[in-house]
Amino acid sequence: SAVISQKPSRDICQRGTSLTIQCQVDSQVTMMFWYRQQPGQSLTLIATANQGSEATYESGFVIDKFPISRPNLTFSTLTVSNMSPEDSSIYLCSVEDLGFYTEAFFGQGTRLTVV
Amino acid sequence: GNSVTQMEGPVTLSEEAFLTINCTYTATGYPSLFWYVQYPGEGLQLLLKATKADDKGSNKGFEATYRKETTSFHLEKGSVQVSDSAVYFCALLTNFGNEKLTFGTGTRLTIIP
Repeated sequence: SAVISQKPSRDICQRGTSLTIQCQVDSQVTMMFWYRQQPGQSLTLIATANQGSEATYESGFVIDKFPISRPNLTFSTLTVSNMSPEDSSIYLCSVEDLGFYTEAFFGQGTRLTVV
Repeated sequence: GNSVTQMEGPVTLSEEAFLTINCTYTATGYPSLFWYVQYPGEGLQLLLKATKADDKGSNKGFEATYRKETTSFHLEKGSVQVSDSAVYFCALLTNFGNEKLTFGTGTRLTIIP
């Protein structure tokens, strides 16, 4: 299994500013993902964080708005740039154990409110 | 592409009632199926999983059986408790080099004493 520490757990930010969310895993993992969960909705994958190369973004998400770093196999950051109230969501880091029984583990999430 | 259709909520039940949350899926090949639970103010936790047809996943009194013929993975519990109040997500993972989870919309469950 994997234990994920995500911070901050919550923040209230002014529009036009940026917030960087950190995700630390207690073991080396190949695949790290960033999800967004808008109020009352399901999870939407933002991007796959690749170690040593640029992140792979899903349709509707761009690097300028959500830059991602993955400097090693245990750590990643997601930045939400030039925030607007529409960015108010829970942002979740996830890693996957690609053993025979694949399973995904999640951080506790970052609850972001943009005012 | 892959998709998960989940029973819409919110669902409100009395304590000790029987719970069913429906989940059906569309996927190519033979996906692994999961139920995740999100308690208030927390991230997602894996509740149970099944990796092949007719497998039954179980945990904390919850059960779900992988039904390939009906492409379903319904979540059941015989007697719910107040502490089961949470949001439940059905999800699938395909095994063709695309290791990204596909989630259902989530079902908010509230159990009243």
